[in-house]
Amino acid sequence: QLQLQESGPGLVKPSETLSLTCAVSGDSISSTTYYWGWIRQPPGKGLEWIGTIYYSGSTYYKPSLKSRVTISVDTSKNQFSLKLSSVTAADTAVYYCARHASIVGATDDAFDIWGQGTMVTVSS
Amino acid sequence: SYVLTQPPSVSVAPGQTARITCGGNNIGSKSVHWYQQKPGQAPVLVVYDHSDRPSGIPERFSGSNSGNTATLTISRVEAGDEADYYCQLWAGSSDLNYVFGTGTKVTVL
Repeated sequence: QLQLQESGPGLVKPSETLSLTCAVSGDSISSTTYYWGWIRQPPGKGLEWIGTIYYSGSTYYKPSLKSRVTISVDTSKNQFSLKLSSVTAADTAVYYCARHASIVGATDDAFDIWGQGTMVTVSS
Repeated sequence: SYVLTQPPSVSVAPGQTARITCGGNNIGSKSVHWYQQKPGQAPVLVVYDHSDRPSGIPERFSGSNSGNTATLTISRVEAGDEADYYCQLWAGSSDLNYVFGTGTKVTVL
């Protein structure tokens, strides 16, 4: 069955760039049905959507993060990636990758499959 | 930007019904999804598009959506239902944004 696995450094220094990758197994990231997203959760707080990408490379970003976020896709490796620049302590969170069950804006576009999440701490 | 408001906590006795609300401007016109998150685990989709359930989710979980409030209802609550619950939606073409609610902690007494 479909599985998502996040990977990347667990510690990033302030002002540097956070980089994470989500490896997709059990299905092709090039499926025309699905979009792929990043969500984060600061310790003890709620969920926050970061952005979403389609296999073609089209992206949607949370407006308040848009200036610092880049999401890309590598169909040859069946994975997609997140880069968040100029990080501060406020970016400390568990970062999840997830699959949208349908196209963006569709009535069934929920996040139906999630990775286990990876904790990223921003600290010097 | 679009805001979704949930009560911080709901307490319910085993076997009773828990109702978790999610308030938003004209939310009844939007498709709402609900997630369950247990401590240390990734969220799990329990209801999508107001009231549909993914495969494997018990019928005890149901949803409704009208006006300015969406509701997740958990019938015959079990101890294993104790978790945080989040509503979520696509805010629309004028606000290109997926929004999560503030989250509700359900405590089974």
